[in-house]
Amino acid sequence: QVQLVESGGGLVKPGGSLRLSCAASGFTFSAYYMGWVRQAPGKGLEWVSDISTSSTYTNYADSVKGRFTISRDNAKNSVYLQMNSLRVEDTAVYYCARENWVPADWGQGTLVTVSP
Amino acid sequence: QSALTQPPSASGSPGQSVTISCTGTDSDVGGYNYVSWYQQHPGKAPKVMIYEVTKRPSGVPDRFSGSRSGNTASLTVSGLQAEDEADYYCSSHAGGSNPYVFGTGTRVTVL
Repeated sequence: QVQLVESGGGLVKPGGSLRLSCAASGFTFSAYYMGWVRQAPGKGLEWVSDISTSSTYTNYADSVKGRFTISRDNAKNSVYLQMNSLRVEDTAVYYCARENWVPADWGQGTLVTVSP
Repeated sequence: QSALTQPPSASGSPGQSVTISCTGTDSDVGGYNYVSWYQQHPGKAPKVMIYEVTKRPSGVPDRFSGSRSGNTASLTVSGLQAEDEADYYCSSHAGGSNPYVFGTGTRVTVL
């Protein structure tokens, strides 16, 4: 079955960087767009970024454009989110998602906390 | 792209039915057959309950059903059970550089 396992979250100071990883299995990774969705504490779901099958196209929410970079390695069945210039408001659980026009499968999430 | 509008809360007694609405626009809910519903228990990842407006993944009880009228999608949970108490979110494909949008979320309480 589909499995998505995120890693790389943690505590970082404002202005710092983190790189999230998501290891995928159970499906043909190279055939699907992949994305990241976040959920701030006590808040709703927010789409962050996604990437096309061969990395040709990447999209970003306005709130992270210019600071976050999504990438993927189809040989390693993995997708990544490089997060720079982190802000307190980026604090959230970050979920990796296999996309099929909308999120179709979700990882368990990794917590990113940005605090002075 | 604005969030889809859901009622903040809904409730029902065990065995009753509850219906949650998800209102968007012609550019999302009304424009694509890609509306999904997710159930999220506290501290857990979202789980797909309905996809492509009305389809149910294997393993999801047939007590859960989806529908759409115009720009409003709905999720109905029939025969409410205690384990249905959770937050529910809708999502719709929206096209363009913001590929999909989420609903504001509805907390379902089983009385």
